[in-house]
Amino acid sequence: DAGITQSPRHKVTETGTPVTLRCHQTENHRYMYWYRQDPGHGLRLIHYSYGVKDTDKGEVSDGYSVSRSKTEDFLLTLESATSSQTSVYFCATNVAGISYEQYFGPGTRLTVT
Amino acid sequence: AQTVTQSQPEMSVQEAETVTLSCTYDTSESDYYLFWYKQPPSRQMILVIRQEAYKQQNATENRFSVNFQKAAKSFSLKISDSQLGDAAMYFCAYRTLNTPLVFGKGTRLSVIA
Repeated sequence: DAGITQSPRHKVTETGTPVTLRCHQTENHRYMYWYRQDPGHGLRLIHYSYGVKDTDKGEVSDGYSVSRSKTEDFLLTLESATSSQTSVYFCATNVAGISYEQYFGPGTRLTVT
Repeated sequence: AQTVTQSQPEMSVQEAETVTLSCTYDTSESDYYLFWYKQPPSRQMILVIRQEAYKQQNATENRFSVNFQKAAKSFSLKISDSQLGDAAMYFCAYRTLNTPLVFGKGTRLSVIA
């Protein structure tokens, strides 16, 4: 357990509304990641961060933005949610001392109607 | 780009029997890391086992072991003495030290009592 929490755990929102998901970690890990999970696709990387204010795009970044103003928090924002963004979102961090090993938060189920 | 392929969308095994899940990957790197993650119905992503590419010895964790064939770019997971609690989605994943995890699409394992 790498001390990762995600909020909210479930959310239903309407098309066109902004949505922000929060990932919080207590282990002071440098690297943090956002993935989405969809049936038939596994987990795909949206964005990741390698330090405060340092972020980069992943495989499926269109329609998403991120921010990291503190080491412990990594926010994922959908500026204008679409039905194609209905998914389960996972946050992950690298475990200290084993930098290549990632541990995951519990996930957020987002439904866009 | 690196890709990970799991060719078995679904597998089943009798309780107490052995099952092998397949995974192949494509990379031009020589130094990388491979993982198997388990996702039970709770949705939590659980690290099952990891393998460093520079290690010739196959990793083992209790009833879980891997068959790592570097030249063939193959990384299969063997589960011995299968238990009902092993029923889950299993994801194979790859990364280098400087790149995030890339996942396969997963294999759903059912355990028959």
